[in-house]
Amino acid sequence: QKEVEQDPGPLSVPEGAIVSLNCTYSNSAFQYFMWYRQYSRKGPELLMYTYSSGNKEDGRFTAQVDKSSKYISLFIRDSQPSDSATYLCAMRDPNTGNQFYFGTGTSLTVIP
Amino acid sequence: EAQVTQNPRYLITVTGKKLTVTCSQNMNHEYMSWYRQDPGLGLRQIYYSMNVEVTDKGDVPEGYKVSRKEKRNFPLILESPSPNQTSLYFCASSLGGYNEQFFGPGTRLTVL
Repeated sequence: QKEVEQDPGPLSVPEGAIVSLNCTYSNSAFQYFMWYRQYSRKGPELLMYTYSSGNKEDGRFTAQVDKSSKYISLFIRDSQPSDSATYLCAMRDPNTGNQFYFGTGTSLTVIP
Repeated sequence: EAQVTQNPRYLITVTGKKLTVTCSQNMNHEYMSWYRQDPGLGLRQIYYSMNVEVTDKGDVPEGYKVSRKEKRNFPLILESPSPNQTSLYFCASSLGGYNEQFFGPGTRLTVL
């Protein structure tokens, strides 16, 4: 079983839609949950991070963590064509020092 | 400009021919890391380094070597490349293990 599971999509939505991206994980020790955005032919860039269960909002983006279910989500409101990218979840295992585990990424296309 | 640079960006080589991919950052970051990205497998951590002369194995270290003789540089060495190391490689750096990782532009390696 992979440490982090993420639906690869692809996901295609009309402009203005609400997008929900999700990851599940198996290791209850994971903390420091992150979402990265990766445009084609570029390196990933950090969108949001959170340490604890609950919601964190930043503009049109909301990150949600449910540690009891080992489930994290990223919501994008009023999606824009510029949001078209691959979104990767990532998390850190404190028990292995500073090793990071990434999901496989979900490809999102927002259609104008 | 604060950045992570990788060289070369593209490389085609043959099985068994030693190669080095360089990574350099100009942000005085303590933490540096190498990842490989493969379709369906996502980003997987190869090695990481918390500081000069300190390196640790990630999820997929077999067939790779690294060194951290200077803070700014973290080269990835493939002593005897094989076709299964054909991949897209990313170097990343951050202030520390808990901080945002900045990714380089990627190196696309093909081993024939």
